[in-house]
This record gives sequence, structure tokens and C-alpha cells, in this order.
Amino acid sequence: NAGVTQTPKFRVLKTGQSMTLLCAQDMNHEYMYWYRQDPGMGLRLIHYSVGEGTTAKGEVPDGYNVSRLKKQNFLLGLESAAPSQTSVYFCASTRLAAGKGEQFFGPGTRLTVL
Amino acid sequence: QQQVKQSPQSLIVQKGGISIINCAYENTAFDYFPWYQQFPGKGPALLIAIRPDVSEKKEGRFTISFNKSAKQFSLHIMDSQPGDSATYFCAASMGTYKYIFGTGTRLKVLA
Repeated sequence: NAGVTQTPKFRVLKTGQSMTLLCAQDMNHEYMYWYRQDPGMGLRLIHYSVGEGTTAKGEVPDGYNVSRLKKQNFLLGLESAAPSQTSVYFCASTRLAAGKGEQFFGPGTRLTVL
Repeated sequence: QQQVKQSPQSLIVQKGGISIINCAYENTAFDYFPWYQQFPGKGPALLIAIRPDVSEKKEGRFTISFNKSAKQFSLHIMDSQPGDSATYFCAASMGTYKYIFGTGTRLKVLA
């Protein structure tokens, strides 16, 4: 049981390049989330998904797109990277009927945009 | 109204001391208040959580105190240890499974 995994762990991009971050979970969770973490700003929700084939915008969705084609995977895409997207990105998941709403986080992806 | 304000930003405590981190919220519809602990290079992990129908929850050395009328809640770490050195985030949600996180508190416990 690997929990929530993220690939890659580190990435350096040039301004304007594109990339996709992959999140996978093996806990059969319905809900999945993408956050970004910046110093002094905590965790901010980018996009989330309430189930396979559905996605919704969070607090800071601009410049990002997501897809949830399979229940266990949630992809975060940057079409044209900007230096402002330099951050640590975390994926999380939770059960639909967990009751207590615990979110399980992956280890993060550190992205630098030059 | 969706914000959760967390203080202090950083905290230094001697080994064996009590660490206290505070959070305040505005939206009275929030019904779940978790605390997450994050070690360097790792993702956050749930530490302890509380619902607004109780005023206190204790798990080992960690206690959440909840003041519904003041719209505040706090994390107390008793007998703080160097291994508790981490960043702590409070959060709030209202049944949508979306969290609003505080800005985090970096705790350092001196040996």
C-alpha cells in the first residue's frame, strides 16, 4: 500500500515550457486535490476532483489544468510555465464517506521555473 | 470569511516546554478543524482534529482547545521534544471535503 505517490519529485523548467505532474493513489479514494505550498502562504488549493471524470477549480486555478481519467490518477498540467509557478506541489486524496475528512498527502514535487 | 488566520509564524521552545499555536476563523459554517504536521521534505500528515461540538480533544501530548464563541482553536504540545520540530498547519472545512489552511507555524524545539 503506497498511499499517495507523485512524480516527478523535482523539475526545473524554462519560462513557456509545459509539463504534467502525476498523482496516483491506491486507497480507492473518491476525492483528489492539488495544492501549491509557498513560504508564508500555507497550502492553497489549485484544483480538485470529486470523482472519475470530474474536476473543479480551487482558490488559485489560473495557469493550470487537470484531468481525472482514472479514479486512481489525478494529473496537473502547466501549459506555459511562468516563474510565479515556482512552488512545491502536493497532491492529496480522501474517501467520500470518511466522516472525519482526513486528507492523505503525497511527498510533493518541487518545481522551479526559470 | 473563508480565511483561517494562524499565529505565530514561527516558535522556538525549550525541550520539555509547552508549544501553543493559535488559529482563528470567521465562517461559522466550518464543522471540522484538523491540524497537520509537516516535516522537511515531506507532505503534511494529519495530527489531530476536532469538531465544534466539543471544547477539547487530547491525543497523547497533543491537545486541541476549541472556543466556538470566540471562533478560535489552538494546538498545545505538552512536554515538547526535538522530534516535534516541524511546520504545523491548522485547517477548517465545512463538509465539502475542501480545506482552508492556515499559513503555517514553524516550530523548533531546542534540545
